[in-house]
Amino acid sequence: QQQVKQSPQSLIVQKGGISIINCAYENTAFDYFPWYQQFPGKGPALLIAIRPDVSEKKEGRFTISFNKSAKQFSLHIMDSQPGDSATYFCAASNTGNQFYFGTGTSLTVIP
Amino acid sequence: GAVVSQHPSRVICKSGTSVKIECRSLDFQATTMFWYRQFPKQSLMLMATSNEGSKATYEQGVEKDKFLINHASLTLSTLTVTSAHPEDSSFYICSASGIWVGRGYTFGSGTRLTVV
Repeated sequence: QQQVKQSPQSLIVQKGGISIINCAYENTAFDYFPWYQQFPGKGPALLIAIRPDVSEKKEGRFTISFNKSAKQFSLHIMDSQPGDSATYFCAASNTGNQFYFGTGTSLTVIP
Repeated sequence: GAVVSQHPSRVICKSGTSVKIECRSLDFQATTMFWYRQFPKQSLMLMATSNEGSKATYEQGVEKDKFLINHASLTLSTLTVTSAHPEDSSFYICSASGIWVGRGYTFGSGTRLTVV
C-alpha cells in the first residue's frame, strides 16, 4: 500500500518555466513532509521540508505548498534550470521518524 | 554538517559470495540507521531500521538471514548481502538520523551492487 502518492511520474519543462510536482497522503499522523532530489547514481539529498502548521515554505527557487485539509502538498520549482534535471521524491513521516516515500518524478528541464 | 559516508560506491561480486556495505555518520551520532533498496527508476524501498546496539527491524518480505545488518556503534552500520544472487543486484542506500540532526534523513551516496 502506497502511503504517499506522487505525480506526475515524469515531467518536461522549458528552461525558465515552473515545475510542479504533487503528492498526497492519507495518514493524518504524518507531521513532517520533506522533498528530496536525487541525481543518477547518487543518494537522495534533502531539498526542502515543511510541517503541517504552515501552508507554504519557500527557499530560493523552491517552494512547498501544503494543504492540510486536502492532505496534499506540492513542490514548485521556479525559473527551472537544466541543472534541476533530476528525480524528485516527496516523503512523509510521523513522530516515530518512519519515512514513507513517493514513487518519484523524473524532471527534465530543456534549454 | 550531518554527512553520511557509504562505501563502496560500486561493487561487482560473483554469485554465491557475500558483500559488505558500510555506512558511516562522519560528524554526528546516528542513533538510527536505515537501509533502502532502489531499483532503476523506482522509489526507495525500506529494507530495515537499526538502532545502535539493538537488532535490526526488517520490513515485511525482507529476508533477515540474507541481508545482515549490524549497528555496533553510533557512527557505523553495515549491510552484508549473503550468498548474493543476480536478483540481488540493485542500488543500496543507507540513511541516518540522530538527535541533533533534525527530522530529515541524511542519505549516503549509495552502493551499486552487481552480482554476476
